[in-house]
Amino acid sequence: QKEVEQNSGPLSVPEGAIASLNCTYSDRGSQSFFWYRQYSGKSPELIMFIYSNGDKEDGRFTAQLNKASQYVSLLIRDSQPSDSATYLCAVTPGGYNKLIFGAGTRLAVHP
Amino acid sequence: EAGVVQSPRYKIIEKKQPVAFWCNPISGHNTLYWYLQNLGQGPELLIRYENEEAVDDSQLPKDRFSAERLKGVDSTLKIQPAELGDSAVYLCASSPRDSPNTGELFFGEGSRLTVL
Repeated sequence: QKEVEQNSGPLSVPEGAIASLNCTYSDRGSQSFFWYRQYSGKSPELIMFIYSNGDKEDGRFTAQLNKASQYVSLLIRDSQPSDSATYLCAVTPGGYNKLIFGAGTRLAVHP
Repeated sequence: EAGVVQSPRYKIIEKKQPVAFWCNPISGHNTLYWYLQNLGQGPELLIRYENEEAVDDSQLPKDRFSAERLKGVDSTLKIQPAELGDSAVYLCASSPRDSPNTGELFFGEGSRLTVL
């Protein structure tokens, strides 16, 4: 079992719709959770982080965390073609100061 | 403020040849990371430095890979000899002292290696 699992996609949504990206993790002691965006041929950039159960909103982005289910998600409201990218979920496993990345979900927003 | 700088951006070599990548982190960032990213995969940690000390190199294939961070600033990652399976993007990232657990890593543009 991979430490961080994501559906590779592609997830295709129409412009203006809500895109929902999901991630599960195996280490129940994981403490911090991150979403990075990576455009094709570019390096990853941090867009959201969440530490506590529940929702965290930042503009059009909402991160959701459910530690009991070992599940973290990212919602993108009013999706734009410029949101088309690979979204990487990353986790800090319990007791370790490092990031473990999932393989990423490719999102395609079509006009 | 300048970002993380890596060079070369692209490198093509034949198998069994050596190759080296260089990284200059953001000024003041004491933590430096080298990640490997294969096509369609997420970054995988190779080594993490706190200043000049390698604090996590458990995933570094030490038979052919080596890294150093002299004076706690710039870092080099070397592969000798390179194998076909080493073809990937090598990402360098840095983070400041006061955010080791926020997970905000600042990545360079990466060095894309092709081994023929």
